[in-house]
Amino acid sequence: QKEVEQDPGPLSVPEGAIVSLNCTYSNSAFQYFMWYRQYSRKGPELLMYTYSSGNKEDGRFTAQVDKSSKYISLFIRDSQPSDSATYLCAFSDRGSTLGRLYFGRGTQLTVWP
Amino acid sequence: DTGVSQDPRHKITKRGQNVTFRCDPISEHNRLYWYRQTLGQGPEFLTYFQNEAQLEKSRLLSDRFSAERPKGSFSTLEIQRTEQGDSAMYLCASSHGGSSYNEQFFGPGTRLTVL
Repeated sequence: QKEVEQDPGPLSVPEGAIVSLNCTYSNSAFQYFMWYRQYSRKGPELLMYTYSSGNKEDGRFTAQVDKSSKYISLFIRDSQPSDSATYLCAFSDRGSTLGRLYFGRGTQLTVWP
Repeated sequence: DTGVSQDPRHKITKRGQNVTFRCDPISEHNRLYWYRQTLGQGPEFLTYFQNEAQLEKSRLLSDRFSAERPKGSFSTLEIQRTEQGDSAMYLCASSHGGSSYNEQFFGPGTRLTVL
């Protein structure tokens, strides 16, 4: 079993739709939970991070973490064509001073006008 | 531009040749990371430096791979005797070691194609 599972999609939605992206993980040592966005031929950029169960909101984006179920989600409200990208979940374990991040394979999202 | 920079952006080489990539982190970031990303997959950790010390290496980093960070500034990743399986995007990231949360800022990557 992989440490991180993420449905690769592709996911295609109309502009204005609510998008739900999800990842499951198996490593109980994961302590920080992140979502990165990656446009084609670019490096990933951090969207949101959290370290506790519950919801965290930032504009149109909401990150949700359920540690008991080892499940994290990213919701995008009022989706825009500019949101079209690959979304990667990422995790850092309790020994975060070691630095490595564990990524999902990414979900490819297309928002059409 | 004060972000992470990588050079070259693209590299095409023949199997068996050696290649070297360079990464310049964000100024004052003392942590530097290398990841590899293949098509349709997320980035996979290769190695990590704090200042000039290489603190962790993934088992993905075979003996054909070597990374250095002299003087704790820029870093180089060298692949010797390249194989077709080395074709991938090589990503560099940096972070400020002082924070408890390890936010990593990524560069644009170097895309390697081995023919």
